[in-house]
Amino acid sequence: DTAVSQTPKYLVTQMGNDKSIKCEQNLGHDTMYWYKQDSKKFLKIMFSYNNKELIINETVPNRFSPKSPDKAHLNLHINSLELGDSAVYFCASSQGRERETQYFGPGTRLLVL
Amino acid sequence: AQSVTQLGSHVSVSEGALVLLRCNYSSSVPPYLFWYVQYPNQGLQLLLKYTSAATLVKGINGFEAEFKKSETSFHLTKPSAHMSDAAEYFCAVLLRGAGRRALTFGSGTRLQVQP
Repeated sequence: DTAVSQTPKYLVTQMGNDKSIKCEQNLGHDTMYWYKQDSKKFLKIMFSYNNKELIINETVPNRFSPKSPDKAHLNLHINSLELGDSAVYFCASSQGRERETQYFGPGTRLLVL
Repeated sequence: AQSVTQLGSHVSVSEGALVLLRCNYSSSVPPYLFWYVQYPNQGLQLLLKYTSAATLVKGINGFEAEFKKSETSFHLTKPSAHMSDAAEYFCAVLLRGAGRRALTFGSGTRLQVQP
């Protein structure tokens, strides 16, 4: 009965590779998010989709491309991976009005070598 | 623009002692405020949230926080620390406007509980 799930949980790859992280929520929420947590634990919003429409696109290199095939899924594709992309990436979802809680997935730990 | 400042990157308390984690916010509009907890190698779990109802908010695991507009604060407290409370705690403010609903997080406070 996992609410927000992410795959893979761990991802180790070489510089220059392309990789994808998948996120699925079974809560019926209409909004999904990607956050990045750096090595100092600082969390920052990257993208947000509402009903499959991109509504937030923060200052993120265009090597990062989110895709939302439907309301329950939000994937993150990263091209030409760099060392600085090493981080924990969290997916989250929420429903309805802005005061509603965002539910987070377990995170994907990405290490670029 | 909204921002959050968490005072103290590390807090250490003895088991049974009072827990106080500080959070100050800056917001040009009435804020929605949240506290999340992150256990090692896990995702974030909501502890409690303030959304302009009661200023004293009670959350899970015995935690509570009080919204003080005059002090622009939303400090997290727990009367008696338990070993299982050891984790990273994040205060967050909701970035609102034009349909945007992203959280802006503080830098986090690591809570250590000594036996």
